[in-house]
Amino acid sequence: DGGITQSPKYLFRKEGQNVTLSCEQNLNHDAMYWYRQDPGQGLRLIYYSQIVNDFQKGDIAEGYSVSREKKESFPLTVTSAQKNPTAFYLCASSSGGSGYTFGSGTRLTVV
Amino acid sequence: RKEVEQDPGPFNVPEGATVAFNCTYSNSASQSFFWYRQDCRKEPKLLMSVYSSGNEDGRFTAQLNRASQYISLLIRDSKLSDSATYLCVVSQGYSTLTFGKGTMLLVSP
Repeated sequence: DGGITQSPKYLFRKEGQNVTLSCEQNLNHDAMYWYRQDPGQGLRLIYYSQIVNDFQKGDIAEGYSVSREKKESFPLTVTSAQKNPTAFYLCASSSGGSGYTFGSGTRLTVV
Repeated sequence: RKEVEQDPGPFNVPEGATVAFNCTYSNSASQSFFWYRQDCRKEPKLLMSVYSSGNEDGRFTAQLNRASQYISLLIRDSKLSDSATYLCVVSQGYSTLTFGKGTMLLVSP
């Protein structure tokens, strides 16, 4: 079945550490997105990519980095420069002007 | 002014009730509109797209008023399983989606 897979489901990061969140889709979608959701808040866009080898910053890109070497994959790295990384991270993909399909998310906690 | 605004609720309704949510958006260039449903600690899932002519899917009816820049969602005959947060979402064409913070619905027996 087609879908988006995010891993890991839960991730713990120590202060000063970089961590990478995985997002893979087999829907043949061109566009992929990373959002962050904090409790009681809406989804905020971190980065997005509409084609391979190209990506753009969203509203809160500082402290994050991405790559899009393959159509199926859009990993997100949370760097030590991100001062408040504890959040629920959601990856999504879309084709054309339709709605998104989301992965099941990764909960990142700083310990 | 926030781009997409929703009443956070919660809306507490008994089973079988009819409940309506509204959402306003600030960007008049918005072209696509959606309602998503998000269960606690889960990812959002597309509930329905919203068209200018209005659309219905079973117990759910969505309407769009471009002149007043608001979107509505009506749920008839509420079920316990309808309890969730409903996200209003807009897009400016082939671009990123902008999400509202959501309206929480609690349906009680």
